[in-house]
Amino acid sequence: QQQVKQSPQSLIVQKGGISIINCAYENTAFDYFPWYQQFPGKGPALLIAIRPDVSEKKEGRFTISFNKSAKQFSLHIMDSQPGDSATYFCAASKRRDSSYKLIFGSGTRLLVRP
Amino acid sequence: KAGVTQTPRYLIKTRGQQVTLSCSPISGHRSVSWYQQTPGQGLQFLFEYFSETQRNKGNFPGRFSGRQFSNSRSEMNVSTLELGDSALYLCASSPENVNVLTFGAGSRLTVL
Repeated sequence: QQQVKQSPQSLIVQKGGISIINCAYENTAFDYFPWYQQFPGKGPALLIAIRPDVSEKKEGRFTISFNKSAKQFSLHIMDSQPGDSATYFCAASKRRDSSYKLIFGSGTRLLVRP
Repeated sequence: KAGVTQTPRYLIKTRGQQVTLSCSPISGHRSVSWYQQTPGQGLQFLFEYFSETQRNKGNFPGRFSGRQFSNSRSEMNVSTLELGDSALYLCASSPENVNVLTFGAGSRLTVL
């Protein structure tokens, strides 16, 4: 029940295309769903996050779509650029006594071809 | 504003040894979390500290321990190292009551 399943494992997109990464969770107690971006040699960096009371959140070229009934959420990268080539992790957490523990998906390695 | 600083960045140990990793959080952040990242298991939560108290713990053996000091700096220790402990150990800090984690670059541990 603690798992977050992420797909695909890897993704190749042409420059200007749309990259879509999907995640699914089981624990309905999760109340926070962030996406992290990680470049080689760096730690993950928060990209965008959503709470279950909204169905979509957009920040620039990045959009999270959230489907509470299906327990799924996805990251859409519009107009993908070579600089977006990185590994993306979805995550979920629930607040417990002011403590936050992120459960991460397995990651998607995105390559954007010029 | 300085980010999360982890030291050392790289280290090599042999089986049976112990290792201590250090993390300096962003100034003003009182919560420090540790994660283990491996190709096979991905990113896994180790523990979280706030005001020198462990608030949450992941599913790791007792060989993995941590602590936090009064200045919010944190250390984690792994005793009796095993080959499977080879990983990137990531520290993250966050402001109080805000679930926004800022990660450091990690400490890459290789156990031979």
